[in-house]
Amino acid sequence: DVVMTQTPPSLSVAIGQSVSISCKSSQSLVYSDGKTYLHWLLQSPGRSPKRLIYQVSNLGSGVPDRFSGTGSQKDFTLKISRVEAEDLGVYYCAQTTHFPFTFGSGTKLEIK
Amino acid sequence: EVQLVETGGGLVQPGRSLKLSCVASGFTFNNYWMSWTRQAPGKGLEWVASITNSGGSTYYPDSVKGRFTISRDNAQNTLYLQMNSLRSEDTATYYCTRSLAYWGQGTLVTVSS
Repeated sequence: DVVMTQTPPSLSVAIGQSVSISCKSSQSLVYSDGKTYLHWLLQSPGRSPKRLIYQVSNLGSGVPDRFSGTGSQKDFTLKISRVEAEDLGVYYCAQTTHFPFTFGSGTKLEIK
Repeated sequence: EVQLVETGGGLVQPGRSLKLSCVASGFTFNNYWMSWTRQAPGKGLEWVASITNSGGSTYYPDSVKGRFTISRDNAQNTLYLQMNSLRSEDTATYYCTRSLAYWGQGTLVTVSS
């Protein structure tokens, strides 16, 4: 199984600051079609997860452009510029390149 | 607007069965793979099953293979998850998802005697 290692496990940031979350996979996430199926999700408190980024760097529908994703092969980063109060919650990376699909353990973002 | 509405959760004894349903609306259901993902209380996300748009192929992790069955009725825009031989470790909120892009509100399954 592909192991997704997310760091840090938690972050505390002030409104307006920028933060980055790392996600490393135990094997390459490039699929045979040449695409990389690495995604980022946010689960706000008490809510269902919401997809922020798909295929490394594509912004999901309605997601503000303060969110951006970069990376390749086995090393990926989610950046949040100018953090807002509504950004608090748990962020997960997920891969759907290889079965079984797997998720990172999550990064909890708190607002100072 | 895409909507996914799960039902069927509840309290069930170990070893018993339960069937979850997810009614989809707002998109052409038979054009998409569908999946179930679960979240144990206070824990992270775990993929449970996926099914191709035609229903011809299904996929599971080892943790549920042989016990859970995903299926769909494209005429009724409904996704199912039949869960047999339930264990305490299956206790979780079960989410219906379309390609991780859309999620239902979840339905809680509690396995306990």
